[in-house]
Amino acid sequence: GAGVSQTPSNKVTEKGKYVELRCDPISGHTALYWYRQSLGQGPEFLIYFQGTGAADDSGLPNDRFFAVRPEGSVSTLKIQRTERGDSAVYLCASSRRGGGRTGELFFGEGSRLTVL
Amino acid sequence: SQKIEQNSEALNIQEGKTATLTCNYTNYSPAYLQWYRQDPGRGPVFLLLIRENEKEKRKERLKVTFDTTLKQSLFHITASQPADSATYLCALDMSGGSYIPTFGRGTSLIVHP
Repeated sequence: GAGVSQTPSNKVTEKGKYVELRCDPISGHTALYWYRQSLGQGPEFLIYFQGTGAADDSGLPNDRFFAVRPEGSVSTLKIQRTERGDSAVYLCASSRRGGGRTGELFFGEGSRLTVL
Repeated sequence: SQKIEQNSEALNIQEGKTATLTCNYTNYSPAYLQWYRQDPGRGPVFLLLIRENEKEKRKERLKVTFDTTLKQSLFHITASQPADSATYLCALDMSGGSYIPTFGRGTSLIVHP
């Protein structure tokens, strides 16, 4: 597709369950970012991929969060043993090359996660 | 600690006026600054990028200034329209070299007809 695609758009789960969120970036974009956004806040950085490797995962809040990008395109954010505090909109963005210095981020519409 | 500050209160203006939004930052020297627009339930959309060695940038009705001495960026929308109503986010390179955009909380703009 023409833009960044994220699935599912909405996910409701119970505390303690495992969740996967998927991001399909713009074709040819080598850099991919995951952010998390809570109501009334700006996007909070989680992890950045350059190609297949995680170039910076300093934003992941704890070891329940993990992300992969095995072939350098689609990425999956995985959350184990979900907690109510994980409820947020998870945003994925891609850019042509690494780092914002080279240009803008193209965001998907986000995956809204609700943990009951 | 490093901080990006945007006014948390909504900015209400009349159609046709110029809207001015502020982004202040502390304890860092960013290489660039970006502005994004976000509508409710949607992802942010890029508007403008300004680099540390640029003072001002324009695009149609939008103007961004970047004052690295004051550690401030101003975002202007001239001849504002109700369709400009949205949340506007600023983002800076704050991560010490890996150029990952770090976002402020955004300011809501409401343009009244």
